[in-house]
Amino acid sequence: TQLLEQSPQFLSIQEGENLTVYCNSSSVFSSLQWYRQEPGEGPVLLVTVVTGGEVKKLKRLTFQFGDARKDSSLHITAAQPGDTGLYLCAGETGSARQLTFGSGTQLTVLP
Amino acid sequence: DSGVTQTPKHLITATGQRVTLRCSPRSGDLSVYWYQQSLDQGLQFLIQYYNGEERAKGNILERFSAQQFPDLHSELNLSSLELGDSALYFCASSVGGPPGVWTQYFGPGTRLLVL
Repeated sequence: TQLLEQSPQFLSIQEGENLTVYCNSSSVFSSLQWYRQEPGEGPVLLVTVVTGGEVKKLKRLTFQFGDARKDSSLHITAAQPGDTGLYLCAGETGSARQLTFGSGTQLTVLP
Repeated sequence: DSGVTQTPKHLITATGQRVTLRCSPRSGDLSVYWYQQSLDQGLQFLIQYYNGEERAKGNILERFSAQQFPDLHSELNLSSLELGDSALYFCASSVGGPPGVWTQYFGPGTRLLVL
């Protein structure tokens, strides 16, 4: 069973602060995806990283895929209350492209 | 709005009962995935169908079954329900097909409460 461990599990910060969420595994993934989920809704894809060492930026969000394609990080600069939500990483494996999700990081940004 | 629809939005039933959850994928998507999200287990992959055929199985219990119909909508059947089956059930769809990085689009989910 491939497991993805996310840390921290909960994060509460003030508006304007920076933060990093980590996603680690002992398994290699063909790609890794980051999702954000808001209460009562399904996860929404933020980014997909495919190549080891790849860095992608989405406005104030920076995503990095580890060189060995086993881990990833999400860095948010100058967090805003609108960034509040559950952040999930998911590793893609197998010919069926099934996703193994991490346990999630619940982020709360206080105004 | 992801374009994936799920019905019903909420479902309350009793232990031992059977329910059916329905999912309509985005127009043009051939793959449908089912996930279960609970507080203690997180979001777990259950099963995937591609163009009517089962493609992959995850942590799906024998009491659960699914199918994808010719019009590509899918149903997840949950039987002999137990209290622990209470969870959010999500359907996702993607274009699917040959190996590639296919984005999965998630529906709004069905919240199942077993009493």
